[in-house]
Amino acid sequence: SQTIHQWPATLVQPVGSPLSLECTVEGTSNPNLYWYRQAAGRGLQLLFYSVGIGQISSEVPQNLSASRPQDRQFILSSKKLLLSDSGFYLCAWSGQGAWDTEAFFGQGTRLTVV
Amino acid sequence: GEDVEQSLFLSVREGDSSVINCTYTDSSSTYLYWYKQEPGAGLQLLTYIFSNMDMKQDQRLTVLLNKKDKHLSLRIADTQTGDSAIYFCAEPSMFSGGYNKLIFGAGTRLAVHP
Repeated sequence: SQTIHQWPATLVQPVGSPLSLECTVEGTSNPNLYWYRQAAGRGLQLLFYSVGIGQISSEVPQNLSASRPQDRQFILSSKKLLLSDSGFYLCAWSGQGAWDTEAFFGQGTRLTVV
Repeated sequence: GEDVEQSLFLSVREGDSSVINCTYTDSSSTYLYWYKQEPGAGLQLLTYIFSNMDMKQDQRLTVLLNKKDKHLSLRIADTQTGDSAIYFCAEPSMFSGGYNKLIFGAGTRLAVHP
């Protein structure tokens, strides 16, 4: 069966420090991968998606970047965190078939920038 | 662009029925989804409905789809305190290359009180 791992679960970082959140998927190949951010009362905002190794698309301009060095590994990074980067970050995957519209989520990372 | 809208809060008494409503924009969506998020956790698929159906029932859950009005609802019968969570409505959207992503509503926070 497929599983998705996301870590760390919580993170407190000072303003201006770097960030690296990692997500890995097991039990499937060639998944679509996603990073979402959830801010209070604002639902889920899609930040990045990837349809293959090295293929990253950004949905919104921001202080963050994403990379996919391996088929089932997705990394969210920042060189210098801002206070506004605080939030709950969720990694997700889906299949690439036309009918594979369901997304499967990791447990999330609560990032607090202080 | 695609948009999914939901009310933000719903408060019900334990044992009553809860109805969470959602409107969506993409009439070509194949599936429509309801996800549940418990505090501090990722999203889990609760139920879904195929676009050629009007209703789907799964134990205490009933999903109603009105394609003409692009309206989706989730009814939870005999609501329990364990149902307290945020419920997200989601519809798939096609992005370039023919791949899918999910567009989420802002989420409805359901509070169940004794």
